[in-house]
Amino acid sequence: EAGVAQSPRYKIIEKRQSVAFWCNPISGHATLYWYQQILGQGPKLLIQFQNNGVVDDSQLPKDRFSAERLKGVDSTLKIQPAKLEDSAVYLCASSLGGGGWSTDTQYFGPGTRLTVL
Amino acid sequence: EDQVTQSPEALRLQEGESSSLNCSYTVSGLRGLFWYRQDPGKGPEFLFTLYSAGEEKEKERLKATLTKKESFLHITAPKPEDSATYLCAVLSGTASKLTFGTGTRLQVTL
Repeated sequence: EAGVAQSPRYKIIEKRQSVAFWCNPISGHATLYWYQQILGQGPKLLIQFQNNGVVDDSQLPKDRFSAERLKGVDSTLKIQPAKLEDSAVYLCASSLGGGGWSTDTQYFGPGTRLTVL
Repeated sequence: EDQVTQSPEALRLQEGESSSLNCSYTVSGLRGLFWYRQDPGKGPEFLFTLYSAGEEKEKERLKATLTKKESFLHITAPKPEDSATYLCAVLSGTASKLTFGTGTRLQVTL
C-alpha cells in the first residue's frame, strides 16, 4: 500500500516570497492533517480536514497560511508571504476515519523541508 | 491545554544495553497515547497506540507501557539500527489532533 506522498521534498525561498506544498494521502483515508515541525521540536498541528471540510484550523496563522483539499483527496498548503520563522519541516498525515471521537492512527509523509532566507 | 514531556532529551547506549524512555502527560481525558519513531529527514513512523492504564504492547525489541500519568518505551538489547528520535503524542478530549512531545534522540553504538 502506497504511503502519504508529499512534494517538493526541499524548498528554499527568500522572505516575503510565496510557497506551496502538495500532499496526496493514503488511498481511502478521509482525514488529512498538516503539521509544522520546527527543528528540535515535535510536530504541531496546523489544520485538519475531514473529506474536504475543515475540522480544526485553530493553530493556522491565517494571515499568511492557507490550505485547501479539493474533492476530498489531495491537499495544498500555501504560505504567502513567508517569514524567517516559517523555516521548518511541513508534514502531511492521513487517517482512515476522522471526526471528534476517532482514535485512528495517523500516518505521516516524508515532509517538505522549507528554508526561508 | 494538553502537555507532553519526554525524557531524557538524548540517550546514548551501547549495543545490547537496555534502557527506557519516559513520556509524562497532562491531559483532560486521554483517548490514546501514540509512539512514533522518526529517522533524520523522514516523517514519523507509527509504532504503538495505548488506550488505557495497564496496557502493554510489544514489537521486536520495543515494549510500550502506560500508566495514568506516563508511558514508557522500553528498549531491550538495542542495535545500531534502533538509533532514531522517538516521539510520544496524546489524543484527548473531543479533538482528533495529536499533541506531541519534543522527542528523545537515541543513539546506539557498537
